[in-house]
Amino acid sequence: TQLLEQSPQFLSIQEGENLTVYCNSSSVFSSLQWYRQEPGEGPVLLVTVVTGGEVKKLKRLTFQFGDARKDSSLHITAAQPGDTGLYLCAGGNTGNQFYFGTGTSLTVIP
Amino acid sequence: EADIYQTPRYLVIGTGKKITLECSQTMGHDKMYWYQQDPGMELHLIHYSYGVNSTEKGDLSSESTVSRIRTEHFPLTLESARPSHTSQYLCASSRPGTPAGTLHFGNGTRLTVT
Repeated sequence: TQLLEQSPQFLSIQEGENLTVYCNSSSVFSSLQWYRQEPGEGPVLLVTVVTGGEVKKLKRLTFQFGDARKDSSLHITAAQPGDTGLYLCAGGNTGNQFYFGTGTSLTVIP
Repeated sequence: EADIYQTPRYLVIGTGKKITLECSQTMGHDKMYWYQQDPGMELHLIHYSYGVNSTEKGDLSSESTVSRIRTEHFPLTLESARPSHTSQYLCASSRPGTPAGTLHFGNGTRLTVT
């Protein structure tokens, strides 16, 4: 089993603050994906990163894949209540197997 | 717009009953998956399929079984439900991609066994 640890597990912040979520593993992955899940729904893909050191931006969200392709981070600038949800990282291998992280539950307080 | 459908959304059932959770996708994806998730927690892979007549067990041991007779349909069956099976079950299919596919999830079935 390829274990991905996310930190923090829970995060509650005020609207407008910045935050970073981390996803760490001892395994190397061919790709790293971030999903967001809202209550009562399935996870929805936010981004895929595939190259070590890659940085992708999606509006106020910045995603980075570690140089060694073992870890990743998600940074949110000026968080909004609409960012509230469960954030999940998932490591992928060439066989289209996906291993999910332990999850970070984010609450943004208006 | 949902291209992967799960039914029922909610199910409350007594111990010992046989149940089947339905999952269908209209995207023609070969790969399909079943994940188990407790509220607000990580996803655990319990079954997956690479295509018709292909089924494999995932990392989390499960008493459920699956079948893949048609590309679009991947039902999960519990022969005798127990309270320990209470959880959310998420079905997903994978769009091929190089080097990474993309998982498309249904909205899940929340199962409660009393």
